[in-house]
Amino acid sequence: QKEVEQNSGPLSVPEGAIASLNCTYSDRGSQSFFWYRQYSGKSPELIMFIYSNGDKEDGRFTAQLNKASQYVSLLIRDSQPSDSATYLCAVNTGNQFYFGTGTSLTVIP
Amino acid sequence: DTAVSQTPKYLVTQMGNDKSIKCEQNLGHDTMYWYKQDSKKFLKIMFSYNNKELIINETVPNRFSPKSPDKAHLNLHINSLELGDSAVYFCASSQGFFQGGNQPQHFGDGTRLSIL
Repeated sequence: QKEVEQNSGPLSVPEGAIASLNCTYSDRGSQSFFWYRQYSGKSPELIMFIYSNGDKEDGRFTAQLNKASQYVSLLIRDSQPSDSATYLCAVNTGNQFYFGTGTSLTVIP
Repeated sequence: DTAVSQTPKYLVTQMGNDKSIKCEQNLGHDTMYWYKQDSKKFLKIMFSYNNKELIINETVPNRFSPKSPDKAHLNLHINSLELGDSAVYFCASSQGFFQGGNQPQHFGDGTRLSIL
């Protein structure tokens, strides 16, 4: 079992819709969780991080964490074509930092 | 000002050669990392240094040798390059080591290594 798992997609949503990206992790002691966006041919850039159970909102982005279910998600409201990218989930277990394989998102104009 | 800079951006070379990639960060971070991203886009950590000390050394062939002359620099030397080494190599930095450190990592633009 991989430490961090994501649905590779591709995920397609129409412009203006909500995009929902999901991630599960295996280490129950994981401490912090990050979402990175990576455009094709570019480096990963941090979008959001979350440490506590519940929701955290930043503009059009909401991260949701459920430690009991070992699940973290990212919601993108009012999706724009510029949101089309690969979204990487990353988990800090306290001893290591693991990335998922990423979910490819396409927002259709 | 570039926060994490890597050189070169592109590296095309033949099998068997030795090459180096350099990384510098001007963020004042004390931890630096090397990642390899393969053709399937999987990002895997290779090494991590905290204040010039090696703290993570994943299962990587010993042909790969990191060197950290100071906490702002982390270079990667690769001996006897093989076809399977073709990938994008990312340098990253963060403030604080993992344990208790919730600081995100900031990535360089990557070095695209192609082995002929």
